[in-house]
Amino acid sequence: AQSVTQLDSQVPVFEEAPVELRCNYSSSVSVYLFWYVQYPNQGLQLLLKYLSGSTLVESINGFEAEFNKSQTSFHLRKPSVHISDTAEYFCAVSDQAGTALIFGKGTTLSVSS
Amino acid sequence: DAGITQSPRHKVTETGTPVTLRCHQTENHRYMYWYRQDPGHGLRLIHYSYGVKDTDKGEVSDGYSVSRSKTEDFLLTLESATSSQTSVYFCAISLEDRAGELFFGEGSRLTVL
Repeated sequence: AQSVTQLDSQVPVFEEAPVELRCNYSSSVSVYLFWYVQYPNQGLQLLLKYLSGSTLVESINGFEAEFNKSQTSFHLRKPSVHISDTAEYFCAVSDQAGTALIFGKGTTLSVSS
Repeated sequence: DAGITQSPRHKVTETGTPVTLRCHQTENHRYMYWYRQDPGHGLRLIHYSYGVKDTDKGEVSDGYSVSRSKTEDFLLTLESATSSQTSVYFCAISLEDRAGELFFGEGSRLTVL
């Protein structure tokens, strides 16, 4: 069965600093990888996804993630964070055959001025 | 907007009582899911459904049952609620042509005293 490990439970950063949220998944022949974001008192929203093709994927609000098959990683990065990026971020994986996502335990990103 | 409505949004109940949470969708999507979210555990899959009367267990299904008699409704039942089932419950749907991408409802906060 698939599993996901988010290596940091909390990441505090200052505004305009770069950030990396780390995610590793268990190995499989092929996987779909996702990052979801949850703002306070809301449901989860898709941030970006990797299905196939280019290993670097980007979101509309400046986040990017790179699929690294050899390291079974899918780390999320942003070169300059804003206060509004404060949220909980979840990495998720599914295999190609199934549709149910398996989530990591989440990383709380706290951006302060 | 994937047209997902969860009810009730908040519920307080006592140990040993039955509880049913409802997830309603308006767009006839085939796949529906119930997750629970707990601090330090992220989201964990309880049950999912891939069509009317077709359901399957997730990783934390003990103590929960589901039913899907109509495409638009996916019910989660706690036959005899326990304090360990205090949680926030999220319903989600996925689109068949967007593999693995989930759309979430706003959540139902359940407190079992």
